Amino acid sequence: GAVVSQHPSWVICKSGTSVKIECRSLDFQATTMFWYRQFPKQSLMLMATSNEGSKATYEQGVEKDKFLINHASLTLSTLTVTSAHPEDSSFYICSARVGYGELFFGEGSRLTVL
Amino acid sequence: EDKVVQSPLSLVVHEGDTVTLNCSYEVTNFRSLLWYKQEKKAPTFLFMLTSSGIEKKSGRLSSILDKKELFSILNITATQTGDSAVYLCAFASSNTGKLIFGQGTTLQVKP
Repeated sequence: GAVVSQHPSWVICKSGTSVKIECRSLDFQATTMFWYRQFPKQSLMLMATSNEGSKATYEQGVEKDKFLINHASLTLSTLTVTSAHPEDSSFYICSARVGYGELFFGEGSRLTVL
Repeated sequence: EDKVVQSPLSLVVHEGDTVTLNCSYEVTNFRSLLWYKQEKKAPTFLFMLTSSGIEKKSGRLSSILDKKELFSILNITATQTGDSAVYLCAFASSNTGKLIFGQGTTLQVKP
């Protein structure tokens, strides 16, 4: 199957700093990428849908100024958690697909904000 | 509002048992229903179901969709300890393509 790479796989940062997470489709061009957040023992919550070359569409309750998403190319989307606080600590997972095909997930990035 | 509900939320069985996991949904613009297995990291794909009544099978796992009653089941026969994981069901929207996940069922298979 297709490979989606996410980096970093884990990051620890101080409160107030910004953290960037990258999501790359390695062997295909992803027209759409999705960003999810998962708290411990909970399911995946969709944060936003990212289409190449256009602004991301955020789900209700997700602050677009706090979670900046950029999808500059067909193989790369980035999520920047700005001014991170401890409550932003979570597991962030990206996924990518071509058209309406199967969704492929990255390995996830575990963010811990001290 | 689109909703995906899984049951049970957790389940403990012994090796060799058969389990049935349930997923019901209330959604608009249904395109497909997907099952994923999640261990320590990101989910891995199991099945995608689009048509009612057609069973999909992969080894000891099988799944079927009932679009009239709006539910799907995932069966695992002869369970093994390696089946211990969270099983997630998700609905894909036909107009946006995004996946909405249920809460997941945590399965623990004891030796």
